[in-house]
Amino acid sequence: AQTVTQSQPEMSVQEAETVTLSCTYDTSESDYYLFWYKQPPSRQMILVIRQEAYKQQNATENRFSVNFQKAAKSFSLKISDSQLGDAAMYFCAYRSAEVGSGGSNYKLTFGKGTLLTVNP
Amino acid sequence: SAVISQKPSRDICQRGTSLTIQCQVDSQVTMMFWYRQQPGQSLTLIATANQGSEATYESGFVIDKFPISRPNLTFSTLTVSNMSPEDSSIYLCSVAALRMEAQYFGPGTRLTVT
Repeated sequence: AQTVTQSQPEMSVQEAETVTLSCTYDTSESDYYLFWYKQPPSRQMILVIRQEAYKQQNATENRFSVNFQKAAKSFSLKISDSQLGDAAMYFCAYRSAEVGSGGSNYKLTFGKGTLLTVNP
Repeated sequence: SAVISQKPSRDICQRGTSLTIQCQVDSQVTMMFWYRQQPGQSLTLIATANQGSEATYESGFVIDKFPISRPNLTFSTLTVSNMSPEDSSIYLCSVAALRMEAQYFGPGTRLTVT
C-alpha cells in the first residue's frame, strides 16, 4: 500500500517570503500522480498543483512550484511571494496511474497535512 | 474542473439517528468518492461510488453504517446511520472522470453528533 508522509505539522512564513513544504511517499509503482491540495478554514479542498511521475519537468502554477525527485520519492511544494491568503492546511496526495476496476485506483492517499501560517 | 455542491453544509444530530448527505456535480463524471475528515485529521476514503453498481468500501467502513447511492452520473448520497459522537467529522465528496487526473472536492458537510 502507498503511504504519504508530511513531516512538518506546522510551518510559518513572512508575507512576500518563500516557503517550502515537504512530502515523501512510498510506492512500488512506476507511474502515478502526485498532488498538493490546500484547505483553508472554509474547509474547501482546493487543488494547488499536480505532477505526473513520468514527466521529468517540475510542475509550476504561478507562485507555486514543486521539486519532484522520483528516485528519492520526494515531492516538495514551494510557495513564492507568500500572501496572507495562502494560509491554510496543505495536504500532499498520491494517486495510482493504473485504471483499476470500479475506479478503485483513482482514490487519493493523503498525508497528515502541514498547517501554514503567513505572518504580515 | 467541476462545480460540486453538498447539502447540508452542516448539521447537529442526536445520537442514534441517521443523516443523508447529498452531493451534486454540474457535469457527468465517472467516479464519485466519499471521504471523512475527523477533527484535526487528514482525509480518509470511505467508499467509491459508481453508477449502476454497489459502492466499493475501504477497510474499516461498511455498507450498513454508510450506505451510498449513485442513481446517475451527477448525483450521489451518503447516509451516516445510527450515529454516535465518534461520527462527528467533515464529510466530503469528490469527483473524477476518465482522463481526469485530479479529483475535485465539494465544500464538505460538517456533522456534529451530540
